[in-house]
Amino acid sequence: EVQLVQSGAELKAPGESLKISCQGSGYTFSDYWIGWVRQVPGEGLEWMGVIYPGDSDTTYSPSFQGQVTISADKSISTAYLQWSSLKASDTAMYYCAKGGAVAGDYFDFWGQGTLVTVSS
Amino acid sequence: SYVLTQPPSVSVAPGQTARITCGGNNIGSKNVHWYQQKPGQAPVLVIYYDNDRPSGIPERFSGSNSGNTATLILSRVEAGDEADYYCQVWDSGSVFGGGTKLTVL
Repeated sequence: EVQLVQSGAELKAPGESLKISCQGSGYTFSDYWIGWVRQVPGEGLEWMGVIYPGDSDTTYSPSFQGQVTISADKSISTAYLQWSSLKASDTAMYYCAKGGAVAGDYFDFWGQGTLVTVSS
Repeated sequence: SYVLTQPPSVSVAPGQTARITCGGNNIGSKNVHWYQQKPGQAPVLVIYYDNDRPSGIPERFSGSNSGNTATLILSRVEAGDEADYYCQVWDSGSVFGGGTKLTVL
């Protein structure tokens, strides 16, 4: 059974750094792209970027390029999303999702989401 | 950047057919995927590659894609279909439509 398990909710102050995780199981983690999707409360889905864990090839949305870093450690089947300096506008639910063998494929399995709250 | 346009809301009576559109420039030349999201839950893939269904998704869900419009079609709508629906395409990066809230009257 394919599963993506994300790290727990975070409450951070503006300016702090953060790294959230997404651990995959039930499939060959290094062979499929993993994506990150943001959802601000009450709003729609926003595609942030994807990574291929096999070689860490990464593609970012222009809206998120330079704002976040996507990485992966295939040895522990885990992908990461990190910020160096959080802003209040980063408050959102963040989902990881399993993609296909190509970067543009659909997301067939999703994590449960990680709620990030940035507040002073 | 590529823009996908969805109606904010669609309403349908139980047992009827709902059609949710996703507009984009020459979207018919792209692969379109659709997701269902219920309140408090992660999205679920319901249609991929325009009109393929993942295992476990009822045959009532289907899709079409031509010209500048892709359409998610829900036949014999049930109360449990009430949710937000999002289309997605790849165009030098992926993009989601703004989402459509399906209300079952």
